[in-house]
Amino acid sequence: DAGVIQSPRHEVTEMGQEVTLRCKPISGHNSLFWYRQTMMRGLELLIYFNNNVPIDDSGMPEDRFSAKMPNASFSTLKIQPSEPRDSAVYFCASSPRTGERSYNEQFFGPGTRLTVL
Amino acid sequence: AQSVSQHNHHVILSEAASLELGCNYSYGGTVNLFWYVQYPGQHLQLLLKYFSGDPLVKGIKGFEAEFIKSKFSFNLRKPSVQWSDTAEYFCAVNARGSQGNLIFGKGTKLSVKP
Repeated sequence: DAGVIQSPRHEVTEMGQEVTLRCKPISGHNSLFWYRQTMMRGLELLIYFNNNVPIDDSGMPEDRFSAKMPNASFSTLKIQPSEPRDSAVYFCASSPRTGERSYNEQFFGPGTRLTVL
Repeated sequence: AQSVSQHNHHVILSEAASLELGCNYSYGGTVNLFWYVQYPGQHLQLLLKYFSGDPLVKGIKGFEAEFIKSKFSFNLRKPSVQWSDTAEYFCAVNARGSQGNLIFGKGTKLSVKP
């Protein structure tokens, strides 16, 4: 099993540019989570999907951030326009099942380190 | 709302010392509990988990955690730490039967001196 795959692993961009982060969850997992990690704020949940449907996006910092999950094997997190304060490591995680009999263990990807100059 | 508290921000130990990291959660119902570890520059990896049964859970690399329901706690322990245990440790909780969201604590950084 390849695990959760994220691309790119590193991204350096200039303020104002659009940034797209990509995630491929583990095959068969039906929940997907986007997190942001910084020294100041720690690990923050941005948004999560169940069966490709966004369930809770209350952690998305502002309208510049958007996330999509067009199918069960792919998700994107987009920042437009990007700002220096968006610099962070962005993690994607997937979970095998939800509902009453779920256990909700999450498997994390390697992360994308974003630097906005 | 659920929350997780990790009381120690940074713990510094010498090799072979014993470790206990505190984790308390607030939620009145049945929960699933997790400890994740993040080695420097890496992603979070599951260390151990508790769903039901024996409240003393053993994980990888000699770690264990004890669920004490009356204290809403899930402390992580290791009898003898190694330099390679230097990492950040995150406690997480999920309400049983919820949509799947984990609530993470703010993490505890462990530095082990050789």
